Amino acid sequence: GIQVEQSPPDLILQEGANSTLRCNFSDSVNNLQWFHQNPWGQLINLFYIPSGTKQNGRLSATTVATERYSLLYISSSQTTDSGVYFCAVNSGGGADGLTFGKGTHLIIQP
Amino acid sequence: GAGVSQSPRYKVAKRGQDVALRCDPISGHVSLFWYQQALGQGPEFLTYFQNEAQLDKSGLPSDRFFAERPEGSVSTLKIQRTQQEDSAVYLCASSLAFGGYSNQPQHFGDGTRLSIL
Repeated sequence: GIQVEQSPPDLILQEGANSTLRCNFSDSVNNLQWFHQNPWGQLINLFYIPSGTKQNGRLSATTVATERYSLLYISSSQTTDSGVYFCAVNSGGGADGLTFGKGTHLIIQP
Repeated sequence: GAGVSQSPRYKVAKRGQDVALRCDPISGHVSLFWYQQALGQGPEFLTYFQNEAQLDKSGLPSDRFFAERPEGSVSTLKIQRTQQEDSAVYLCASSLAFGGYSNQPQHFGDGTRLSIL
């Protein structure tokens, strides 16, 4: 099946810093989603982005499908950005189960 | 505008007991998915429903795991004769996607944290 690799696995930053999280995948994808899992375990949809670029406030994401990677940018980090960021893909139709990466554990220190 | 609702939020059971976990998808969502998330790992796919039909159960770890969605809305994941390795967070997701209408995201509930003693 499709493989998903995320980097870095861990990231510690000061409040106000910017960061870039990367997701590499091993095959062409139909769907790609970025999620934030907060310390309470809730999995929050950030972006649905199988290709192209999207922005939502301080967050933006870019997927280059032909080169099989996606990037999540976080600007002006806040302590509430802490948690685990997951990239998830599927290579079949949108009704297929998602394959998740192992995540990037982000800690924002005040 | 309710999201995906799961209950109970937490469940503690003794090894050998049966448990049932409930998922209420977003109204109108045809597709429903179950995932298992072990501590420190990403979620892993268990099974998929399109309406009431279970079209993929390739991720179910053993025949002790059983899922149903009899009326095409609410779904129940049942685990029989629970074992300690079943301890995990069980996540449910729903989506408008089905068949050829595929370009839709999956929306997740808050999960059920299952602990087997």
